Amino acid sequence: NAGVTQTPKFQVLKTGQSMTLQCAQDMNHEYMSWYRQDPGMGLRLIHYSVGAGITDQGEVPNGYNVSRSTTEDFPLRLLSAAPSQTSVYFCASSRGQTVETQYFGPGTRLLVL
Amino acid sequence: QKEVEQDPGPLSVPEGAIVSLNCTYSNSAFQYFMWYRQYSRKGPELLMYTYSSGNKEDGRFTAQVDKSSKYISLFIRDSQPSDSATYLCAMSGGPMDTGRRALTFGSGTRLQVQP
Repeated sequence: NAGVTQTPKFQVLKTGQSMTLQCAQDMNHEYMSWYRQDPGMGLRLIHYSVGAGITDQGEVPNGYNVSRSTTEDFPLRLLSAAPSQTSVYFCASSRGQTVETQYFGPGTRLLVL
Repeated sequence: QKEVEQDPGPLSVPEGAIVSLNCTYSNSAFQYFMWYRQYSRKGPELLMYTYSSGNKEDGRFTAQVDKSSKYISLFIRDSQPSDSATYLCAMSGGPMDTGRRALTFGSGTRLQVQP
């Protein structure tokens, strides 16, 4: 099992550009989520999904879109990047539809200039 | 005020010491409590997961939850230099399963174990 994989590992964007952060898991987990991690702020939930076709907003959803067409994949789209979106992004998945046993991916470092 | 408070450290201890890491929280609906370890430039790794109040032990690690005080702790016995990392507490809970679909994290405590 590869677990939770994320691509790319690092990305530099200019303000206004769009991009998609990829996340995949091979554990057949129903629950998947995206967090951002900023210094002193801990991890904050952006969006989550409890199954294919079902998504919901977390604490900081503005500027981000998600979709879940398959169990395995949960991409995060930045529609028009802003410097405030400079952060480290983590994808996570867990069994069932709850969060108690989440496995995290290695993260994507995003710099928006 | 943040829902979950955690001292950022750094906490520096000699090898072999007992380490105590703590979080306080304000939301009485939280029922599930987790501790994650995060090495530099890596993703968080789940260490311990407990439900409601009480203790849970796993090797050198012990998690304690005191819901009456809204206080959770992680103890590391015989600490090793390889334990040097940031430790994040997290919690979830609330009415029905919807409260269990989001984790609220502390900001993390950086631990350094000196050889």
